[in-house]
Amino acid sequence: DAGVTQSPTHLIKTRGQQVTLRCSPKSGHDTVSWYQQALGQGPQFIFQYYEEEERQRGNFPDRFSGHQFPNYSSELNVNALLLGDSALYLCASSLGHLVTDTQYFGPGTRLTVL
Amino acid sequence: AQTVTQSQPEMSVQEAETVTLSCTYDTSESDYYLFWYKQPPSRQMILVIRQEAYKQQNATENRFSVNFQKAAKSFSLKISDSQLGDAAMYFCAYRSASGRTYKYIFGTGTRLKVLA
Repeated sequence: DAGVTQSPTHLIKTRGQQVTLRCSPKSGHDTVSWYQQALGQGPQFIFQYYEEEERQRGNFPDRFSGHQFPNYSSELNVNALLLGDSALYLCASSLGHLVTDTQYFGPGTRLTVL
Repeated sequence: AQTVTQSQPEMSVQEAETVTLSCTYDTSESDYYLFWYKQPPSRQMILVIRQEAYKQQNATENRFSVNFQKAAKSFSLKISDSQLGDAAMYFCAYRSASGRTYKYIFGTGTRLKVLA
């Protein structure tokens, strides 16, 4: 049973560039949530995708956008990178129609912006 | 807005001993879920235990148990017979059961050190 996978593991970018992070959900899951975890902090919710649409969004600027594909995998895009975007980006998957469902996390992508 | 507070940035425990990690939260909702996640140096967040607010019975998973005090809005995690592999960051998280919001709200974490 494949768990949540994310790619790449690490990424280094410079200010102003754009980045795309990828996530494949746990087998059987149809919903993907993205979180940003700054150093020494807890994860902060960016947005959630269900049925290929953004279902809920946290307090993040429009520079953060996403997409979900028919196979339920997802991408997180960040434009015009700032130094403050340096963080661990976590993807979590769940079953979207279940209010009670638990989110399962991937290993994350470490983004460094220079 | 809901908030989650973990007031212990770091805790230490001797191997085989018991340790309790604290978590308090603030919400006006009556139905919600609470979680403890473990994040080892490998970075992957692993679910430790989950509690439904409507259940009075405290959740238990092997050596891990919680003390859920709904009126006090407190949700502590007890780890019994601590093992070296328990060393990690532990995060407390809240999720509404309203069906209108899907995000988890996390605390800032407690780093647990296990001493041999």
